[in-house]
Amino acid sequence: GEDVEQSLFLSVREGDSSVINCTYTDSSSTYLYWYKQEPGAGLQLLTYIFSNMDMKQDQRLTVLLNKKDKHLSLRIADTQTGDSAIYFCAELNYGQNFVFGPGTRLSVLP
Amino acid sequence: DAGVIQSPRHEVTEMGQEVTLRCKPISGHNSLFWYRQTMMRGLELLIYFNNNVPIDDSGMPEDRFSAKMPNASFSTLKIQPSEPRDSAVYFCASSVRQGIETQYFGPGTRLLVL
Repeated sequence: GEDVEQSLFLSVREGDSSVINCTYTDSSSTYLYWYKQEPGAGLQLLTYIFSNMDMKQDQRLTVLLNKKDKHLSLRIADTQTGDSAIYFCAELNYGQNFVFGPGTRLSVLP
Repeated sequence: DAGVIQSPRHEVTEMGQEVTLRCKPISGHNSLFWYRQTMMRGLELLIYFNNNVPIDDSGMPEDRFSAKMPNASFSTLKIQPSEPRDSAVYFCASSVRQGIETQYFGPGTRLLVL
């Protein structure tokens, strides 16, 4: 079955760049997503990328997709304390359902 | 738009009691999803509806769980009888339609079964 994997924790210093990585197994994935979950809240869509794209940039966010290696990354430039949250990678599988990774907890240190 | 609305936000109950979680999707959205989030298992899709019809309930853990969507603006997830291992945060999400459309999540219901 489909599987989406992420490292569980990441710590960075305020002002540095954060890179959150994700790998997936379903080669038929058409869209890949990054969601952010702040404490006590639901998931919020940050950005998504179509599988025929290599990169997508949106302000401080850069998404890189290596379809050959089934690797997705989210780079947050100039990380701020407000970026501290759990970041979920998700793929849209062949059955048109979302498969979420376990989430990466990003801690931003002052 | 108010977004996806869930109630209650918190629920504490005793083992064996019936629990009903409620969700109001965003108006105009035709797909509704119920998820469960725990530390051990992460985010799990329990069931989803398209146009009020349950499409895939393979994620529902067992017969104690049931979900209904009597109309386009309301859905319930019921656990009867509840058990301590059901303690989790339950999220409802909706989208315009199933598939590529972005899912919008509600704030979740934090359930604690004692």
